[in-house]
Amino acid sequence: DAEITQSPRHKITETGRQVTLACHQTWNHNNMFWYRQDLGHGLRLIHYSYGVQDTNKGEVSDGYSVSRSNTEDLPLTLESAASSQTSVYFCASVRDIGSEQYFGPGTRLTVT
Amino acid sequence: GNSVTQMEGPVTLSEEAFLTINCTYTATGYPSLFWYVQYPGEGLQLLLKATKADDKGSNKGFEATYRKETTSFHLEKGSVQVSDSAVYFCALSDPSSGGSYIPTFGRGTSLIVHP
Repeated sequence: DAEITQSPRHKITETGRQVTLACHQTWNHNNMFWYRQDLGHGLRLIHYSYGVQDTNKGEVSDGYSVSRSNTEDLPLTLESAASSQTSVYFCASVRDIGSEQYFGPGTRLTVT
Repeated sequence: GNSVTQMEGPVTLSEEAFLTINCTYTATGYPSLFWYVQYPGEGLQLLLKATKADDKGSNKGFEATYRKETTSFHLEKGSVQVSDSAVYFCALSDPSSGGSYIPTFGRGTSLIVHP
């Protein structure tokens, strides 16, 4: 069965370190998204991609970057982790406009 | 722009009670509407959807009807169970938004069901 996976599921890192969160989907979807979820804020879009070599900023992109070298993967990098980036991160993909999104299980990141 | 407003939580109910979670939206075109559910420690998963006015989406005893005249998509269930305890998100995807695949989510409503 097709799926979307994230790794690691839990990560603790120190302020200032670079961190990369992995997202891998086997749906063969061109469209992929990264969100963060924080209490009181719901889901907030960080970055998204409509295909290989395409990346776009979302509403909370500062301090984050993504790259898309193939259809299956959209890794999220925190260039220099900050305590404000402690959150739960979700990756998602969608087939078409108007279709539902498929979410990964999430990565809980703690920046100390 | 597009927006989704859903009722604040938490909603606390006893088992077998009737559930309604309100959701209203604004959109420039004719969006598809969704309810997602998030169980503790998991990602969001689609619960049900409706793609045009008067459509009713249903799944696992939950229902929601796409009401264009009131721009609403309220979630209902006749008899909730403890296992329904989760966070519920209303969302829309508007194909007229300049070809954007970006959905708009509500803030989420936490449901707690007591035995």
